[in-house]
Amino acid sequence: DAKTTQPNSMESNEEEPVHLPCNHSTISGTDYIHWYRQLPSQGPEYVIHGLTSNVNNRMASLAIAEDRKSSTLILHRATLRDAAVYYCIPTSTYQGAQKLVFGQGTRLTINP
Amino acid sequence: DVKVTQSSRYLVKRTGEKVFLECVQDMDHENMFWYRQDPGLGLRLIYFSYDVKMKEKGDIPEGYSVSREKKERFSLILESASTNQTSMYLCASSSLHGYTFGSGTRLTVV
Repeated sequence: DAKTTQPNSMESNEEEPVHLPCNHSTISGTDYIHWYRQLPSQGPEYVIHGLTSNVNNRMASLAIAEDRKSSTLILHRATLRDAAVYYCIPTSTYQGAQKLVFGQGTRLTINP
Repeated sequence: DVKVTQSSRYLVKRTGEKVFLECVQDMDHENMFWYRQDPGLGLRLIYFSYDVKMKEKGDIPEGYSVSREKKERFSLILESASTNQTSMYLCASSSLHGYTFGSGTRLTVV
């Protein structure tokens, strides 16, 4: 399993953009990069994933470095509801199942 | 919406009891997973299943077993509960589009 390095915590203000970095220098060529977040007292929820190209969805954007050794999750306008722990997870596949191995993640605090 | 339902939100059991944690998903997903989450240790994979009656050990399978008799149901079994199995247990199912987690079962073993 690829190792990841994320800041333990980050803080931002409401309605400002947030860039959450992740280093995954040991990622293999076939691993996708998944991002999940966990709101307080809830299970993790899917945010976004990608392989090589940058990706956008209604929740966030994912920017992947050309060498794939790092990626950045971008929340374009943070809201209070975005306060959560964000996990960056390179995923390998076994028997068709993508196995998620969670690290410690980044705890994001949003100030009103 | 995809739903993963865990049968209990809170559970208190005695040391030595056999404990069943049930998880049901309604999206016909092939893959299902059991994690536990502890402060300072994060989420750790206990077991997963990629098909009915198939199971694979995760990173911390000791003291646990699982059962997948039907596609929609994945059960985690603590054969003889111990206090170090006090934890938050999270079930998930997945497709190629990602994982969906349940709300968790907070198990306390006394």
